[in-house]
Amino acid sequence: GQQVMQIPQYQHVQEGEDFTTYCNSSTTLSNIQWYKQRPGGHPVFLIQLVKSGEVKKQKRLTFQFGEAKKNSSLHITATQTTDVGTYFCAGPIVRGSTLGRLYFGRGTQLTVWP
Amino acid sequence: DTGVSQNPRHKITKRGQNVTFRCDPISEHNRLYWYRQTLGQGPEFLTYFQNEAQLEKSRLLSDRFSAERPKGSFSTLEIQRTEQGDSAMYLCASSQDREAFFGQGTRLTVV
Repeated sequence: GQQVMQIPQYQHVQEGEDFTTYCNSSTTLSNIQWYKQRPGGHPVFLIQLVKSGEVKKQKRLTFQFGEAKKNSSLHITATQTTDVGTYFCAGPIVRGSTLGRLYFGRGTQLTVWP
Repeated sequence: DTGVSQNPRHKITKRGQNVTFRCDPISEHNRLYWYRQTLGQGPEFLTYFQNEAQLEKSRLLSDRFSAERPKGSFSTLEIQRTEQGDSAMYLCASSQDREAFFGQGTRLTVV
């Protein structure tokens, strides 16, 4: 079955440093989603990437989807303490225009020291 | 609050007991999902519904687990004869198109 792998599992940075997490799939993905889960919270949708080679930015966050649509990355520039949490990539099974099951990676837990 | 609502937030039960969780999705969403999450892992798919129809169940979902969505609105997840390995956060999500909105989850502890 489909597997989504994510590295690193943990990342500790000082406030102001950059952060990157990488996601790899064993199969080609129709699209990829990213979620953030704060400590004690629930996953919150960040973005979806659909096109091969797509790059999207949300303020200090940059998301990339690989040319082969089998890998993706999330890069945070100049981290802040509010960025603390676990970042998950997820490969969805999309049936038509609606969402089927999501295959989540293990997540990268980001800690930011002030 | 018009988000996904789950009850109870916490449940402690003795091994062998049955438990039932409830999820109220965002009202206009026709898809509802159940996931399970353990510490240090990503959410693991259990099952999902489109309206009242259960479209897919994970092979990981044993016969002790059953989910319903009788009127296509709220859903319940029942675990019979709980085991210690069932201890986890049970997350419900709903979706209308391609974005899943998660609830706060029900944390189950089996002692």
